[in-house]
Amino acid sequence: EPEVTQTPSHQVTQMGQEVILRCVPISNHLYFYWYRQILGQKVEFLVSFYNNEISEKSEIFDDQFSVERPDGSNFTLKIRSTKLEDSAMYFCASSFVEGGDAFFGQGTRLTVV
Amino acid sequence: GNSVTQMEGPVTLSEEAFLTINCTYTATGYPSLFWYVQYPGEGLQLLLKATKADDKGSNKGFEATYRKETTSFHLEKGSVQVSDSAVYFCALIPQGGSEKLVFGKGTKLTVNP
Repeated sequence: EPEVTQTPSHQVTQMGQEVILRCVPISNHLYFYWYRQILGQKVEFLVSFYNNEISEKSEIFDDQFSVERPDGSNFTLKIRSTKLEDSAMYFCASSFVEGGDAFFGQGTRLTVV
Repeated sequence: GNSVTQMEGPVTLSEEAFLTINCTYTATGYPSLFWYVQYPGEGLQLLLKATKADDKGSNKGFEATYRKETTSFHLEKGSVQVSDSAVYFCALIPQGGSEKLVFGKGTKLTVNP
C-alpha cells in the first residue's frame, strides 16, 4: 500500500539553527500539506501546496517557514531560525483531490534546545 | 471559527467492552467529518468519514454518524480489541473551498486483555 514517508523521525537542533524536514508524498497525489502537533495540544494546520505554490496557510506559517517541492517526489518544510516553541511533531500529508482523503506520514519529532 | 471538541482521555477499557468517544464540532454549513487513528509509532490514518448529514461512516467495526442537529460525530465500537489501542482524532474540513483539516486534541484509548 502506498504511504507517505518522512525523514528524519526525530531531529534535535539548537535554537536559531535552520532545519529542513523532508517528506515523500504518495506518487500520484497532487495536494500536499504540513501539520504540527505541540505536545499535549491539537494537531494544527500549517500550509497546503498545490501546483508548485502555496494554496493556503495558517497564521502559524510566518516568514520563518517555507515549503518547497524541489523535484518530482520530495516535499520539504524549512524553518529558517528555530525557536524553542517550534518543538513539536510535524506531519506531512498528501491527497489526490482538494479536500479529499489525506494520507499522513509517521511524523518528525523536532526538538529545539 | 471552525473547531472540534472531543472527550478528554485517556480512556481505558477491557477487551470486548463498548467504546464511545464523543466529538462535537463548530462550523458553518455542512463540513465533512473524519475520524483519524494513530497507532503507536505510526502516522495518522483515516479511519472513517461522513460528508453529509445523517451519513454513517464505518470501518473495522467502528462507526460514527453525522448528526447536524447536535453537531456531533461520536465514534463507537461494540467490542474493542487490544489492537484498537491508539490515539483517536476527530476532524473536519469546512464547507466551501478550504483544504485544511481542523482537528480535535485526540483521545488516547488503551484496551487491556
